[in-house]
Amino acid sequence: QKEVEQDPGPLSVPEGAIVSLNCTYSNSAFQYFMWYRQYSRKGPELLMYTYSSGNKEDGRFTAQVDKSSKYISLFIRDSQPSDSATYLCAIRGGSSNTGKLIFGQGTTLQVKP
Amino acid sequence: DGGITQSPKYLFRKEGQNVTLSCEQNLNHDAMYWYRQDPGQGLRLIYYSQIVNDFQKGDIAEGYSVSREKKESFPLTVTSAQKNPTAFYLCASSPGSQETQYFGPGTRLLVL
Repeated sequence: QKEVEQDPGPLSVPEGAIVSLNCTYSNSAFQYFMWYRQYSRKGPELLMYTYSSGNKEDGRFTAQVDKSSKYISLFIRDSQPSDSATYLCAIRGGSSNTGKLIFGQGTTLQVKP
Repeated sequence: DGGITQSPKYLFRKEGQNVTLSCEQNLNHDAMYWYRQDPGQGLRLIYYSQIVNDFQKGDIAEGYSVSREKKESFPLTVTSAQKNPTAFYLCASSPGSQETQYFGPGTRLLVL
């Protein structure tokens, strides 16, 4: 079993739709959760960072963490064509960890005008 | 203008050749990382360095080597021992090993 699982998609939605991207993880010691956005042939850029269960909002983006279910989500409201990219979840362990990030496979999203 | 730079953007390697990918950061970050990305896969850690003159192997270090002689620089050498080097290589840095990582633009390595 992979430590982090992410549906690779691709996911295609019409402009304005609500998008839900999800990851599951296996190790309950993981404490820090990130979402990165990666445009084609570019480096990933950090979108959201959280370490507690619950929701965190930033504009049209909401990151949700459910530690009891080992499940994290990223919601995109009013999706735009400029949101078309690959979205990577990344997870890190606790304070004894070296800082190593474990990435999901990435979900490719296309938002059609 | 702070950030992470990687060069070259594209690199071609011949059979049996060693090639070196450059990564420079002017963010004054202590920690630096090298990842490899293959189509349909997430990023996999090759090497990381938490401080100057120190580095550790990641999950897929075989066929690669690094050095960390300066805080701002963390070059990666892909040696001839790496039999499947074609991939997108990403460098990242963070203020400390427990903090958020920021990525460079990447280098795409192709084998001739």
